[in-house]
Amino acid sequence: GAVVSQHPSRVICKSGTSVKIECRSLDFQATTMFWYRQFPKQSLMLMATSNEGSKATYEQGVEKDKFLINHASLTLSTLTVTSAHPEDSSFYICSASPASGGRDTQYFGPGTRLTVL
Amino acid sequence: DAKTTQPNSMESNEEEPVHLPCNHSTISGTDYIHWYRQLPSQGPEYVIHGLTSNVNNRMASLAIAEDRKSSTLILHRATLRDAAVYYCILRDPFGNEKLTFGTGTRLTIIP
Repeated sequence: GAVVSQHPSRVICKSGTSVKIECRSLDFQATTMFWYRQFPKQSLMLMATSNEGSKATYEQGVEKDKFLINHASLTLSTLTVTSAHPEDSSFYICSASPASGGRDTQYFGPGTRLTVL
Repeated sequence: DAKTTQPNSMESNEEEPVHLPCNHSTISGTDYIHWYRQLPSQGPEYVIHGLTSNVNNRMASLAIAEDRKSSTLILHRATLRDAAVYYCILRDPFGNEKLTFGTGTRLTIIP
């Protein structure tokens, strides 16, 4: 199946710093990628939809100025957590679909575990 | 998006079949039924999806009720590596591509 990678897999940072997470589709092009956040023992919560060449669409309650998303190419989307605080510590997961249409499957990255001290 | 209801947890013995139920009584005529699973500390992975007919692939089978208000994911012979949270999700092919994850079913495999 299609492969999605994330980098880094794990990051620990100090409070107040910014952290960038990369999501790449390795063997397909994706005009749309998705960013999720998952707290311990909870389900995945969609944060935003990343659209190649245009602004991201954020879910209600997600601060767009805090979680900056850039979809610079058809194979790369980045999520930057700005001025991170301990409450931003979470498991961040991206996904992408090789083609448009709701019947298609989404392929998920392995996730990035962010710990803010 | 139409809502799905799944049991919070299930247990099964290793090498036995597992039937994971999902209720979706408000499913629309165009919604596809998707199943994903998430192993510990990993991103979710696609398992199977279907519309009306039962579906089989190398990972599992999907049995869809005639009225489409429920479905069952079937793992024919569970292994320890099948221990995961299984999510049943409805997707409208004419809507956006977003996936809305519920709480899923945490499957424990007993050796």
